[in-house]
Parts: sequence; C-alpha cells; structure tokens
Amino acid sequence: AQSVTQPDIHITVSEGASLELRCNYSYGATPYLFWYVQSPGQGLQLLLKYFSGDTLVQGIKGFEAEFKRSQSSFNLRKPSVHWSDAAEYFCAVGTPSYSGGGADGLTFGKGTHLIIQP
Amino acid sequence: DAMVIQNPRYQVTQFGKPVTLSCSQTLNHNVMYWYQQKSSQAPKLLFHYYDKDFNNEADTPDNFQSRRPNTSFCFLDIRSPGLGDAAMYLCATSRDMEDTQYFGPGTRLTVL
Repeated sequence: AQSVTQPDIHITVSEGASLELRCNYSYGATPYLFWYVQSPGQGLQLLLKYFSGDTLVQGIKGFEAEFKRSQSSFNLRKPSVHWSDAAEYFCAVGTPSYSGGGADGLTFGKGTHLIIQP
Repeated sequence: DAMVIQNPRYQVTQFGKPVTLSCSQTLNHNVMYWYQQKSSQAPKLLFHYYDKDFNNEADTPDNFQSRRPNTSFCFLDIRSPGLGDAAMYLCATSRDMEDTQYFGPGTRLTVL
C-alpha cells in the first residue's frame, strides 16, 4: 500500500520569504502526486498535480513542485509567501486502478501547518 | 459556479440519531468519494462510487453507508453516530480513474 510522509507538522515563514514544504511517498511504481491546500473550516483546493512528463510542475497561486524519483519526493515551493498563504497543506498520492473499471481514493499525508509571520 | 456542493455545511446531531449528509456535483463526473477528516488529521477515504459501483474501504465502520441515486448526487448515511464520528466530511469527484479529484467545502458534523 502507498503512504505519504510530511515530516514537518508546523512551519513558520516570514512574509516575503521563500517556502519549501517536504513530501515523501512510498509506492512501488510512479504514483500520481498532488498538493492540496485547506484553509480553516474549508474544503481542499488543488494547488498542482503530477501525473507524468516534466518533473517540475507549476500550480496556482505561484506554487510549484518538483518530482524526484530517486528521492521519492514531491516538495512544494514558493519563492515569496504572502500572508494569505497561511493554511494547512496536504500532499497526496493516487494510484491507478488495478481493475480497469474503478478508481482509488487518495492517500494523504498528515499535513503541514504553515504560519506566516509579518 | 460551485462544482461540488455539500449540504448542510454544519450539521449537529444527537448521539445515536441517524444523520444524512448530501453531496451534489455539476461536473458529470463518474466517480464520487467520501472522506472523513478529524480535527488536525489528514482526510481518510471511507468509500467511493464509480458510476453505480460501490467500493468500501476495508476499515470503514458498518455504521457508515452511502447511496448514489444518480450521477449528480451522493449521500453519506451515519446510522448511529457516536461521539467519535464528529468530524469534517468531505465529498470529492473525479471524471474517471486517475483524474484529479475536486473537493466540496465539507460538512462539519457535531455529535452531542
């Protein structure tokens, strides 16, 4: 079974500083990889995803992530954070269906809580 | 413009009193999912429908059931809610397998 590790429970960054959130996955083949953001009391919003191709993917709100197969990682980055980026960030892994007719849900990491200092 | 709609956004029920949460989608997606997210935890998949085919996760309690009467709607029924079932319940949809999942805003369930 696949698993996702987000080693940082909390990260504090000053507004305007760069950001990197770590994500490592465990899966036998190349998974589908996602980053979602969740504001308090809200649902999940997709930031970006990797299915195949270029290992550096661009997302919304100025975020990007890089898939590194050798490190089983999919770290999220942003060059300059804004106060509105404060939220919970979830990395998730999806796997192709084995049956050909169904679909698998996502396996989420435990999340990283991002705090922005003025 | 909302694509995945969940009603109600907040639900309060009493211990042991059945409750139903609703999810609808305007995307005409084949797959609909229900996740449970407890406070400060990651979302956990409960079950999903691929069209009319129901797929239950192995560790989902029998207390949780689901119905999908048509493509647009999917319901989560909790037959006898316990205090431990208080959580945010998230509905998601995807066009097909391997496609991106789009989430609704969630329903926060409180059990008194």
